[in-house]
Amino acid sequence: DAKTTQPPSMDCAEGRAANLPCNHSTISGNEYVYWYRQIHSQGPQYIIHGLKNNETNEMASLIITEDRKSSTLILPHATLRDTAVYYCIVPYNFNKFYFGSGTKLNVKP
Amino acid sequence: ETGVTQTPRHLVMGMTNKKSLKCEQHLGHNAMYWYKQSAKKPLELMFVYNFKEQTENNSVPSRFSPECPNSSHLFLHLHTLQPEDSALYLCASSRPGQPSGNTIYFGEGSWLTVV
Repeated sequence: DAKTTQPPSMDCAEGRAANLPCNHSTISGNEYVYWYRQIHSQGPQYIIHGLKNNETNEMASLIITEDRKSSTLILPHATLRDTAVYYCIVPYNFNKFYFGSGTKLNVKP
Repeated sequence: ETGVTQTPRHLVMGMTNKKSLKCEQHLGHNAMYWYKQSAKKPLELMFVYNFKEQTENNSVPSRFSPECPNSSHLFLHLHTLQPEDSALYLCASSRPGQPSGNTIYFGEGSWLTVV
């Protein structure tokens, strides 16, 4: 079973920031949080991951709360191509990635 | 292109057939994974291999038989499947034990239809 909880769906206007929340209240001190997305049942695409500090790459930013019990994935300028299911994952034993239902992000014109 | 290649991309097989799905990774990873995704359902972890050794079998029926001859190749042998086994089968790979985490990378998947 997934160790995270996410809202089932969210809407975002094209060009605006999309903020996707994730709760992982049972995370331990050395466990990473990973974010993936899946478009039209293609293979999931890696987005970003983090441990304690906030992270940013060319795709997104990851904000992790100080207590590490939740995080937010930020897509700064959402486009229609960002419409997908987004998964927040904390693996078991560092290499067992269980996917939950994720958040279906609908980017609207 | 993620560095994880799956073949075939589409497969139709009868319930009495024997077929195999193949996965190859070119990332220098040493862990490989099989996932199953049925229609409108979350991904289900099936098998995990670390350095060719199976470390996870998530209660998968024996009609699915994995094989990992080396760290770069992973097979899923299929025999006497049922129509409900029709799904997208995804392969992934990673390099556990890195201080920066253990990111897994997925292939594009193999669409299996059992008739």
